[in-house]
Amino acid sequence: KNEVEQSPQNLTAQEGEFITINCSYSVGISALHWLQQHPGGGIVSLFMLSSGKKKHGRLIATINIQEKHSSLHITASHPRDSAVYICAVSNSGYALNFGKGTSLLVTP
Amino acid sequence: NAGVTQTPKFRILKIGQSMTLQCTQDMNHNYMYWYRQDPGMGLKLIYYSVGAGITDKGEVPNGYNVSRSTTEDFPLRLELAAPSQTSVYFCASSYYGTGGYEQYFGPGTRLTVT
Repeated sequence: KNEVEQSPQNLTAQEGEFITINCSYSVGISALHWLQQHPGGGIVSLFMLSSGKKKHGRLIATINIQEKHSSLHITASHPRDSAVYICAVSNSGYALNFGKGTSLLVTP
Repeated sequence: NAGVTQTPKFRILKIGQSMTLQCTQDMNHNYMYWYRQDPGMGLKLIYYSVGAGITDKGEVPNGYNVSRSTTEDFPLRLELAAPSQTSVYFCASSYYGTGGYEQYFGPGTRLTVT
């Protein structure tokens, strides 16, 4: 089973700060996913990537396949970014192994 | 598109009771999944299906059953509920897009067994 580790577990930032959340995994993967879970529970897919870098608005996800590591960056953070960010990997295709999540709080 | 819908949103069961969690998707996705999320833990896969009539066990299948008679529906059955099944349950579906299987999640069902 692919072990997925996220750091930090909890993160508090001030509005406007640049935020980085890290994810490492133990075995080669076919794809890595970043998900967002807001208070109230709904889970939304932010990114799916297997190489390089993707950007969507203020969010950037990168992956280094050789080092088995991915980062999620949030630029110019805002209180509405407060959520749990979850890293998940798929090995052979469709089923995912999930990290425990990083709880982010952005204060005004 | 409604996406992935789940019912009920909340449920309290007594030990030994049974219930079915409903999941429906209207995106014509072949792949569907049931996960459970416990506090402080990552989501864990209970069962999954790669198409109508085909289901398989995930990491934590004990105490649960599933069926997939149509592409749209993937109900999860709890028989003889136990306190260990207190959790939040998420249904998801996926299709094969560029680079992999992007997953779409339902809103979740919060289940308490007392």
